[in-house]
Amino acid sequence: QSMLTQPPSASGTPGQRVTISCYGSSSSVGGDTVTWYQHLPGTAPKLLIYRIYQRPSGVPDRFSGSKSGTSASLAISGLQSDDEAVYYCAAWDRSLNSWVFGGGTKLTVL
Amino acid sequence: QVQLLQSGAEVKKPGSSVKVSCKASGGMFSNHGINWVRQAPGQGLEWMGGLNPFFGTPDYAQKFQGRVTITTDESMSTAYMDLSGLRSEDTAIYFCATDMGILVALDHWGQGTLITVSS
Repeated sequence: QSMLTQPPSASGTPGQRVTISCYGSSSSVGGDTVTWYQHLPGTAPKLLIYRIYQRPSGVPDRFSGSKSGTSASLAISGLQSDDEAVYYCAAWDRSLNSWVFGGGTKLTVL
Repeated sequence: QVQLLQSGAEVKKPGSSVKVSCKASGGMFSNHGINWVRQAPGQGLEWMGGLNPFFGTPDYAQKFQGRVTITTDESMSTAYMDLSGLRSEDTAIYFCATDMGILVALDHWGQGTLITVSS
């Protein structure tokens, strides 16, 4: 059972904007450690967003993060076919002293 | 830029232990925390534990307390994850990953190591 809650699937057409939600608790998503990862089968996960909305160098600004209370979101604008992947949110849970992950959202580009 | 190279796939018997290694090039674990994350077949990512040099002692997910040990050998630029009491549910791909700061994010990942637990 995942500590953070994500929808299992999302979809969009090329060029569209999609949003993926992530719900947690005050001790996890309520802090400032929300991160997002992109995961393609057979590869290592890739960091997309850290500290809620920061992007590592090399990550396009089509990817953006936000948060309100204990709910975080990843938005992908200008959807492309190679955005098709599983997206995970994660946060450091201060009460568990653990990184906790969401169950992952499989994004399909129609 | 840190690159992480993990040891190869293994098949283990139930009840046995496995030790997976993760060698860093282009950086040292003394500057980055090291974490271990696994993905069982058809499942999501699951954090097992981590060792941050600033804290000194490792943190382990409750689920793995007592079964997992994370260590580093700075002289070899290598981190290790030891998992004991293996059961079929431990069949998974195990990833090592460095933290870009103090509890910031897992930015560099190893290629993954498949551990299969089967009698």
